[in-house]
Amino acid sequence: QQKVQQSPESLSVPEGGMASLNCTSSDRNFQYFWWYRQHSGEGPKALMSIFSDGDKKEGRFTAHLNKASLHVSLHIRDSQPSDSALYFCEGGSALGRLHFGAGTQLIVIP
Amino acid sequence: DAGVTQTPRHEVAEKGQTIILKCEPVSGHNDLFWYRQTKIQGLELLSYFRSKSLMEDGGAFKDRFKAEMLNSSFSTLKIQPTEPKDSAVYLCASSLDWGGSAETLYFGSGTRLTVL
Repeated sequence: QQKVQQSPESLSVPEGGMASLNCTSSDRNFQYFWWYRQHSGEGPKALMSIFSDGDKKEGRFTAHLNKASLHVSLHIRDSQPSDSALYFCEGGSALGRLHFGAGTQLIVIP
Repeated sequence: DAGVTQTPRHEVAEKGQTIILKCEPVSGHNDLFWYRQTKIQGLELLSYFRSKSLMEDGGAFKDRFKAEMLNSSFSTLKIQPTEPKDSAVYLCASSLDWGGSAETLYFGSGTRLTVL
């Protein structure tokens, strides 16, 4: 049973549009989340982490965490074709366990 | 700075063969992970080493999968004997001090294994 559920499985957005990816945890022990991006033929690369409730912005990427609802999202504004990739979220806690979601495939259409 | 290096990039094996995948973590990192990635299951943890000690061996993967870390800069994953269902991408990742400190993972580019 996966402790981290991601949605949607696949998402298509036009170039310049906003992409929104979601991640929900079933474990209240999770204290932080990481977002990773994986381009075809490569390993995942870390995008950003979020530990506190609210928004965290890094360039075109904004992560939002709501600990009460165990929900974290990633918003990509002004999406570019190079953003087309598989996106994972990872939840973790002081217990040191790694739990990845199954991923969202993002396609940015030029 | 060199990242995580995995070799080979591609491996084709006949059913029943033994294969060995290799990983060199980022220099100085204390934690090393092996994952299996498939479209259906996503990322599944196979093994986790901390300072060369095996901390987790992936439960369901115990019988035919064995990861070793002979020194702090090299790890292997042996699959013996291989089965067609083992066809997947195998990823190695390292972290400076993962524990509870929430350090990020650095992944290699993976080895794509095809078992015929």
